[in-house]
Amino acid sequence: AQRVTQPEKLLSVFKGAPVELKCNYSYSGSPELFWYVQYSRQRLQLLLRHISRESIKGFTADLNKGETSFHLKKPFAQEEDSAMYYCAIRGTGAGSYQLTFGKGTKLSVIP
Amino acid sequence: GAGVSQTPSNKVTEKGKYVELRCDPISGHTALYWYRQSLGQGPEFLIYFQGTGAADDSGLPNDRFFAVRPEGSVSTLKIQRTERGDSAVYLCASSLGLSFSYNEQFFGPGTRLTVL
Repeated sequence: AQRVTQPEKLLSVFKGAPVELKCNYSYSGSPELFWYVQYSRQRLQLLLRHISRESIKGFTADLNKGETSFHLKKPFAQEEDSAMYYCAIRGTGAGSYQLTFGKGTKLSVIP
Repeated sequence: GAGVSQTPSNKVTEKGKYVELRCDPISGHTALYWYRQSLGQGPEFLIYFQGTGAADDSGLPNDRFFAVRPEGSVSTLKIQRTERGDSAVYLCASSLGLSFSYNEQFFGPGTRLTVL
């Protein structure tokens, strides 16, 4: 069974400080990892996926298969980054399509 | 419509009643998903449709839950004999058809169901 763990329910940082949202997963195989974000009063939306290896809104995430982690990082937090962040996994075997989400981390950026 | 829409946005019902939740996917998206998000939790998979058929309903918690997508577009999630534990936000998502590579799932705003 696939599982995603986000150890922090709430993370508060000051504007301009670095941010790291932790995500660990368990999956027997090579999964696809994602970060979804939900801003206040908005719907859940994809932030980035590990396959793309891109930076979105200054955020990056590197898949570490040895540590089974996919931490989300940003060097300088902005107030508009305040939101709920969900790490998610999708298997890559036949019939893999649904996402399994972690419980989420609420990021609060203090002005 | 530009995105996935869900109606109603809020539904309050009494224990034991029947409810229907509707999802309109993005036009042209053949894949449709239902998730349930309880307070303090991430979304949990319920059921997946490819076209008109339910390709995987393994996430439905019990036989009180049922979903249909008769014409391959709009989907309805049906809950019979509602219980207080069914209270949650029900999310719908749609994506382009199934393929080996990931097609981004676009989420609707959700329906907040409260069972009194």
